[in-house]
Amino acid sequence: QITLKESGPTLVKPTQTLTLTCTFSGFSLSTGGMGVGWIRQSPGKALEWLAVIYWDDDKRYTPSLKSRLTITRDTSKNQVVLKMTDMDPVDTATYYCTHRQVYCSAVSCNEVDFDYWGQGTLVTVSS
Amino acid sequence: DIVMTQTPLSSPVTLGQPASISCKSSQSLVHSDGNTYLSWLQQRPGQPPRLLIYKISNRFSGVPDRFSGSGAGTDFTLKISRVEAEDVGVYYCTQTTQFPFTFGPGTKVDIK
Repeated sequence: QITLKESGPTLVKPTQTLTLTCTFSGFSLSTGGMGVGWIRQSPGKALEWLAVIYWDDDKRYTPSLKSRLTITRDTSKNQVVLKMTDMDPVDTATYYCTHRQVYCSAVSCNEVDFDYWGQGTLVTVSS
Repeated sequence: DIVMTQTPLSSPVTLGQPASISCKSSQSLVHSDGNTYLSWLQQRPGQPPRLLIYKISNRFSGVPDRFSGSGAGTDFTLKISRVEAEDVGVYYCTQTTQFPFTFGPGTKVDIK
């Protein structure tokens, strides 16, 4: 059973660095095909993809925020950490941790993104 | 970036009646590996999103068969054959063919 849970501060001040941790269970991020990513959702708005880290330590970022984001993993702790620098009130959002993997049957394999989600953590940026 | 658009943005439906949501991408979602990574997510009120459909038409584990997906290239559709009360929420299409992954604006489905 795959579960993910986000943790981190609920309130950060403008210009500070946000550090979010995704603690997961039910899989190993060292297993081929696995990935953990981050998505955010501003209040009442749509979803915005931020970053993903894969089993081989490949990392991808959304270009508009790339200079501010860092995603890392600790496979021994089953955690993925997202850091976002220079926080601004527009970064106020619920931040979700997501999982992806490759599902294989006898005849084929399917890469499936966003198959499992954490409950999300609301981060407010305010002085 | 690939822009995803959805119509309608709001869909009031009668219980037991069908619903359909259209999703269009600004460029083809066919990956170099031949697959099309177009998925549909459901977000019920106060809940995180949930995967319904992946690769255009594959229902994820536990998703009722009243949900179906279709389409190709740049045009995709999610259909609910008979809407139930638990289907109320916002539905998003998303592409994971090309980085950065992108989402549609969402379609709100509620009961008339």
